[in-house]
Amino acid sequence: AQSVTQLGSHVSVSEGALVLLRCNYSSSVPPYLFWYVQYPNQGLQLLLKYTSAATLVKGINGFEAEFKKSETSFHLTKPSAHMSDAAEYFCAVSETRGGSEKLVFGKGTKLTVNP
Amino acid sequence: EAQVTQNPRYLITVTGKKLTVTCSQNMNHEYMSWYRQDPGLGLRQIYYSMNVEVTDKGDVPEGYKVSRKEKRNFPLILESPSPNQTSLYFCASTPTGYPYEQYFGPGTRLTVT
Repeated sequence: AQSVTQLGSHVSVSEGALVLLRCNYSSSVPPYLFWYVQYPNQGLQLLLKYTSAATLVKGINGFEAEFKKSETSFHLTKPSAHMSDAAEYFCAVSETRGGSEKLVFGKGTKLTVNP
Repeated sequence: EAQVTQNPRYLITVTGKKLTVTCSQNMNHEYMSWYRQDPGLGLRQIYYSMNVEVTDKGDVPEGYKVSRKEKRNFPLILESPSPNQTSLYFCASTPTGYPYEQYFGPGTRLTVT
């Protein structure tokens, strides 16, 4: 079964600093990969997705992620953090299980942005 | 506005008292799903439905029921809630038969005492 590891349950950065949120998946077969963001007291919303096209994927709000097959990674970055980026971020990976498609979520990384 | 709505948003109940959390989407999406979110565990899928009258178990279905009689609605039923079902619940939908680009509802925070 597919598994997703997000390194660091909490990440703290200063406003204007680089944001790097790490995600590794377990499958040797390149899956579809996603990052979702959850702002306080809201549901999740799709930030960006990788579906086997370009390995560098751009999303909303200045975020991007790079798919690295050799490292089975899909890390999320943003060059300059803004206070409004404070949220919890979830990496998710597609998986085919029992003939059905599933989305497997990581445990999440809570991003704090300090002024 | 395209959205997924859930009701109620907050619910405190007692052990064994049947409850239903409603979920409705106005985007004509085929795939709908229920998740629970617990600290340190991320999101876990409870049930999903690929279309009307088609439902299947997710990873943590015990203690829950669902139905899909109409395309837009996907209620979650707890026949006999227990304290370990205290959680934050999310309904989600996607326009295709795949659970990838999901649109999430705002969440229902359930406390079972």
